[in-house]
Amino acid sequence: KQEVTQIPAALSVPEGENLVLNCSFTDSAIYNLQWFRQDPGKGLTSLLLIQSSQREQTSGRLNASLDKSSGRSTLYIAASQPGDSATYLCAVRPHGQNFVFGPGTRLSVLP
Amino acid sequence: EPEVTQTPSHQVTQMGQEVILRCVPISNHLYFYWYRQILGQKVEFLVSFYNNEISEKSEIFDDQFSVERPDGSNFTLKIRSTKLEDSAMYFCASSRGQGAGQPQHFGDGTRLSIL
Repeated sequence: KQEVTQIPAALSVPEGENLVLNCSFTDSAIYNLQWFRQDPGKGLTSLLLIQSSQREQTSGRLNASLDKSSGRSTLYIAASQPGDSATYLCAVRPHGQNFVFGPGTRLSVLP
Repeated sequence: EPEVTQTPSHQVTQMGQEVILRCVPISNHLYFYWYRQILGQKVEFLVSFYNNEISEKSEIFDDQFSVERPDGSNFTLKIRSTKLEDSAMYFCASSRGQGAGQPQHFGDGTRLSIL
């Protein structure tokens, strides 16, 4: 059974820092991996999707990488801003199945 | 940009009552999903729906749950006899396809509170 973990559980950084959020999954046989952002009491905003055949995806200040063989993905946020404060969720899709979510990393970017 | 919309944003219901949560997926999407998130816990998959049929469901999705696409735009989740443990945020999602390059797009959720 696929399990997804995220480290750290919470992170507080000053504005302007570059930071890395980590996601690990137990079964490398995945179809794709999607990173989401969740603001308090709100829904999930899709940030990046990486297919199993891809190594990374970029969108603006965000870069997500995937190392399927080691069961890891990282989300890199460049030049963090207070507006980036949210919970970041990693979700893995095993083949033919639907998403398995991690517990999230709660990010606070201090002005 | 098109988005998934869910109503109501907050539903308060007495235990044992039936509740229907409503979703309008993105218009050209063909696959629809329900997830839930109990306060402080992970987002959990409930059910996926395609071509007017359930394509996959989790262990959580037992006989008290049902889904329906009553018309060309709405997608509903019905809980027949609610329990206290059904209190959670329920998210609807949709995708154009189920290929590896197809992201799922989520709504803002319905917060269900069972009293």
